[in-house]
Amino acid sequence: KNEVEQSPQNLTAQEGEFITINCSYSVGISALHWLQQHPGGGIVSLFMLSSGKKKHGRLIATINIQEKHSSLHITASHPRDSAVYICAVKIQGAQKLVFGQGTRLTINP
Amino acid sequence: EAGVVQSPRYKIIEKKQPVAFWCNPISGHNTLYWYRQNLGQGPELLIRYENEEAVDDSQLPKDRFSAERLKGVDSTLKIQPAELGDSAVYLCASSLDVGYGYTFGSGTRLTVV
Repeated sequence: KNEVEQSPQNLTAQEGEFITINCSYSVGISALHWLQQHPGGGIVSLFMLSSGKKKHGRLIATINIQEKHSSLHITASHPRDSAVYICAVKIQGAQKLVFGQGTRLTINP
Repeated sequence: EAGVVQSPRYKIIEKKQPVAFWCNPISGHNTLYWYRQNLGQGPELLIRYENEEAVDDSQLPKDRFSAERLKGVDSTLKIQPAELGDSAVYLCASSLDVGYGYTFGSGTRLTVV
């Protein structure tokens, strides 16, 4: 079993829909990252969380440390949001990131 | 700010040939990471540097992979000889220090034929 599990693996939605991507982890962490990877492109860091909630534009990230769960929400989704979204956790004491397998999001116009 | 710069963007080589990737991190970032990302999977750490010291290379296949970060700035990752299974995207990332956010480069897509 992977230490970091994302769901769903693939998500297709219509423009304007509210999107939720989930991440569950099984280890103690010091921080959780949400990353965005466009086809053929590099990885962009969206959020780094250790507790609570962060918001940037149409993106919202939440984390529940007790439940070992985080969600990434996109409001008013747009085709340009189409990308792979990756959850990564920094394991306590290990100083390295462990990545989920990613969620491929496609927003149709 | 230029971000993390990697070169080349793409590389196609025959198996058993050597290959090298180069990474220039953000100026002032002490920590540098090399990751390998296979198709449809998340990145896996190969090696982490703090300044010029490799502090975590437990996932680096040392029989064929080597890395260096001279003077604690630029880094190179080398594979010799390459195998078909080495085809992947090799990502470099840097951070100010281990407790800070990461910035990733665009990656080098390696195809071994």
